[in-house]
Amino acid sequence: GAGVSQSPRYKVAKRGQDVALRCDPISGHVSLFWYQQALGQGPEFLTYFQNEAQLDKSGLPSDRFFAERPEGSVSTLKIQRTQQEDSAVYLCASSLLRTSGSDEQFFGPGTRLTVL
Amino acid sequence: AQSVTQLDSQVPVFEEAPVELRCNYSSSVSVYLFWYVQYPNQGLQLLLKYLSGSTLVKGINGFEAEFNKSQTSFHLRKPSVHISDTAEYFCAVSEGGGFKTIFGAGTRLFVKA
Repeated sequence: GAGVSQSPRYKVAKRGQDVALRCDPISGHVSLFWYQQALGQGPEFLTYFQNEAQLDKSGLPSDRFFAERPEGSVSTLKIQRTQQEDSAVYLCASSLLRTSGSDEQFFGPGTRLTVL
Repeated sequence: AQSVTQLDSQVPVFEEAPVELRCNYSSSVSVYLFWYVQYPNQGLQLLLKYLSGSTLVKGINGFEAEFNKSQTSFHLRKPSVHISDTAEYFCAVSEGGGFKTIFGAGTRLFVKA
């Protein structure tokens, strides 16, 4: 595709439900990032993949959050037993090369998660 | 630890006026600096970045930013704004060789006719 796509665009979950958010990066991009953006805030780093390897997951807020990229392309962010504080926009970004910190990241439109 | 402070949460400005969006960062090592823009209902896109070399960086849509190491700032400027520049602007920093990019809270630029 032409850009990074994410699905669903909107998700409403009842507290305690599990959710799965999907990211399709730009074809051929090695690096993939997940961010959480709370209302009125900037994106906060969650995790980083280089191909299928998850090299940094230090930003995941709890063990209820899990991300995978099994074949080095599509990635899924899973949140178990959702809580109200998980309500946010979840952004996915990809970049062409393995990151050195200097690369442009291409962002998807985000998934807005609302936990009731 | 790195951090980014965007000093203004909202900046209203009239069309064709100049604008400056302020950004200060803190880091103990050399950094790369970025400005991203988010238009309504769209993903973030890169405006410009500073990696090394000339401290004045030019980006898309007539924007430019100046890296000031002594003041740890990376302010974004445009000499004459358009209505279409209305958007959220994010300053970001990353360390060389690192995986994380740290974003500021954003500045909402509102251009009035």
